[in-house]
Amino acid sequence: SQQGEEDPQALSIQEGENATMNCSYKTSINNLQWYRQNSGRGLVHLILIRSNEREKHSGRLRVTLDTSKKSSSLLITASRAADTASYFCASYNDYKLSFGAGTTVTVRA
Amino acid sequence: EPEVTQTPSHQVTQMGQEVILRCVPISNHLYFYWYRQILGQKVEFLVSFYNNEISEKSEIFDDQFSVERPDGSNFTLKIRSTKLEDSAMYFCASSLPTGSEAFFGQGTRLTVV
Repeated sequence: SQQGEEDPQALSIQEGENATMNCSYKTSINNLQWYRQNSGRGLVHLILIRSNEREKHSGRLRVTLDTSKKSSSLLITASRAADTASYFCASYNDYKLSFGAGTTVTVRA
Repeated sequence: EPEVTQTPSHQVTQMGQEVILRCVPISNHLYFYWYRQILGQKVEFLVSFYNNEISEKSEIFDDQFSVERPDGSNFTLKIRSTKLEDSAMYFCASSLPTGSEAFFGQGTRLTVV
C-alpha cells in the first residue's frame, strides 16, 4: 500500500480550539490531498499541496508537507461544531489517490 | 455547482448476481475513478479511466469487475458475480486533469446477501 498511517485516529476538541492531524505515506508522490467525509457520505476535497510545496493555506485550513519525512499535517483553526467529520489524507501518484485510515474529529459545542 | 451523481444510493443483491453501479461524472472532466469503502475501513482505490481506457487498477479490481463509459455522460462499474465481501460503499469520482482535485459522488451502498 502506498499509504501509511494517520494520527490520531480520533480527536475530540472544544469549539474554538485548533485541531491538528498528521499523516504519513510510503512512496514518492505527485501531490497530497486532504478530504473530509461526513457520516459515510461522499468525500469532499479540502486542499491539495504539490510535492514541491511545503505549506499551503485555505481559509481556516493549513497544510504542511515534508517530503523528506513523507509526512503531512492538517491544521483546522478556530474549530466549529460543523467541522465534526472524518478527515482523510490521500497521496496522489500513478493515476490514483491512496487514502489513509482517517482521523475522526468531534468538535464539542 | 456541478456534482458527480451516483445511482442507486443503495442496492441489495443476492450473492452471485451481477450488479451495475452507475455514475454521471462532471461533464467536462476527463478522468474517472471508482473507489470503495468497506464499513469502518479506509477508502480503497479500484480503477482509474481515461480516454476510454483503464489507466490504473488495483489488486481488488479482478476479472469480476469491469468499467465502461457507454455514452458521453455515464460511467459504470459492473461486478459480474457478487460475493459477500463486495459489500461496501462504492464511490465514483472525476477530475479534470489527472492529479487535480477529485470530485466524489455520494456513493452507492452495496449490500450482498
